[in-house]
Amino acid sequence: AQRVTQPEKLLSVFKGAPVELKCNYSYSGSPELFWYVQYSRQRLQLLLRHISRESIKGFTADLNKGETSFHLKKPFAQEEDSAMYYCASTYNAGGTSYGKLTFGQGTILTVHP
Amino acid sequence: SQTIHQWPATLVQPVGSPLSLECTVEGTSNPNLYWYRQAAGRGLQLLFYSVGIGQISSEVPQNLSASRPQDRQFILSSKKLLLSDSGFYLCAWSPGLTGMNTEAFFGQGTRLTVV
Repeated sequence: AQRVTQPEKLLSVFKGAPVELKCNYSYSGSPELFWYVQYSRQRLQLLLRHISRESIKGFTADLNKGETSFHLKKPFAQEEDSAMYYCASTYNAGGTSYGKLTFGQGTILTVHP
Repeated sequence: SQTIHQWPATLVQPVGSPLSLECTVEGTSNPNLYWYRQAAGRGLQLLFYSVGIGQISSEVPQNLSASRPQDRQFILSSKKLLLSDSGFYLCAWSPGLTGMNTEAFFGQGTRLTVV
């Protein structure tokens, strides 16, 4: 069965410090990985997806198939980065996945001034 | 542009009472629709998904059911709520007939407390 693990429920850093939110996955196939974010009083929304290999709001995430990880990184955290972050995956088990997502438990990031 | 509406935002219901949460999507046709739940201390878990009218797939056995009476309407129901049904329920949609990398768009969520 698919599993996405975010080992840190809470993460606190100071403004300007680097931040890394950890995510590990377990699959037998080839998953696609995403990071979703929920800012205070806002809806859950996509931050970035592994296939795009892009940097969004200074965040990047690299898929490491050897370590089965998809950690989210930002070199200099900002106060506005404070939010709940979810790692998620979908996969193709021989057919379409219909966009079904498996989420990790989420990490609450707090960036202190 | 596409929008998703989910209501109510909060709900307190007694054990044994029925439940109906509604979700509608505007600005798109034939979307894939989903219901997720976040129970206390756990991540978001997919409950149901639908790829078309009347087509419902359940991901986990539970006390809940889902229906899709119209293309852009998705309803989560229960005949008799249990305490364990408490949680945060999220409706979401994604473009239909697409592959794995499609973004999902989420509603604002419903906080359900069963007392």
